[in-house]
Amino acid sequence: AQSVTQLGSHVSVSEGALVLLRCNYSSSVPPYLFWYVQYPNQGLQLLLKYTTGATLVKGINGFEAEFKKSETSFHLTKPSAHMSDAAEYFCAVSAPPRTAGNKLTFGGGTRVLVKP
Amino acid sequence: EPEVTQTPSHQVTQMGQEVILRCVPISNHLYFYWYRQILGQKVEFLVSFYNNEISEKSEIFDDQFSVERPDGSNFTLKIRSTKLEDSAMYFCASRAGTSGSYNEQFFGPGTRLTVL
Repeated sequence: AQSVTQLGSHVSVSEGALVLLRCNYSSSVPPYLFWYVQYPNQGLQLLLKYTTGATLVKGINGFEAEFKKSETSFHLTKPSAHMSDAAEYFCAVSAPPRTAGNKLTFGGGTRVLVKP
Repeated sequence: EPEVTQTPSHQVTQMGQEVILRCVPISNHLYFYWYRQILGQKVEFLVSFYNNEISEKSEIFDDQFSVERPDGSNFTLKIRSTKLEDSAMYFCASRAGTSGSYNEQFFGPGTRLTVL
């Protein structure tokens, strides 16, 4: 079984400040890890993913995340927040794709507010 | 850019009525999913579908739920007799499923179902 915990349902940052969203996972198999972003009235858009290989992964819009197996974490960061980063962010885990299923298990989401 | 579409964007129904939520996945994708998000809660996996059959389903996906790909383009979720607790945002997703590297799931904008 897999699970994801996101610390903080709401995060407020000033424009230009560091964005740090925390995600911890539990998985009995090597995890595939994802961050999705949801803007108002839109679907979930993939920001970045870790499957295998390099543990520091870069995504769209200047975001990056680091897979730390020893800490079972996959925290999302962006050095300088922009007003357009205001959205809800979801961390998710899946098992490696050996079957046709490959479902995603999501965390509870973190809503980011960016102050001018 | 290809995208997953869902209709309607908002559906209001009376308890006990049947509803059908419709999705048009990206045209060359092979794997299809339904997720739901009850207000204030996590995004939860419902079912995955491949090669015209269910490949995995959650405990939420009981006999009241069914999925179908009736015509090669649409992917539908039917709830036979809606309950108040079925009120949620329902997301459809699709994945290419080609061999090689991992293929991400692309999400639609969701259908908000309100059961009165």
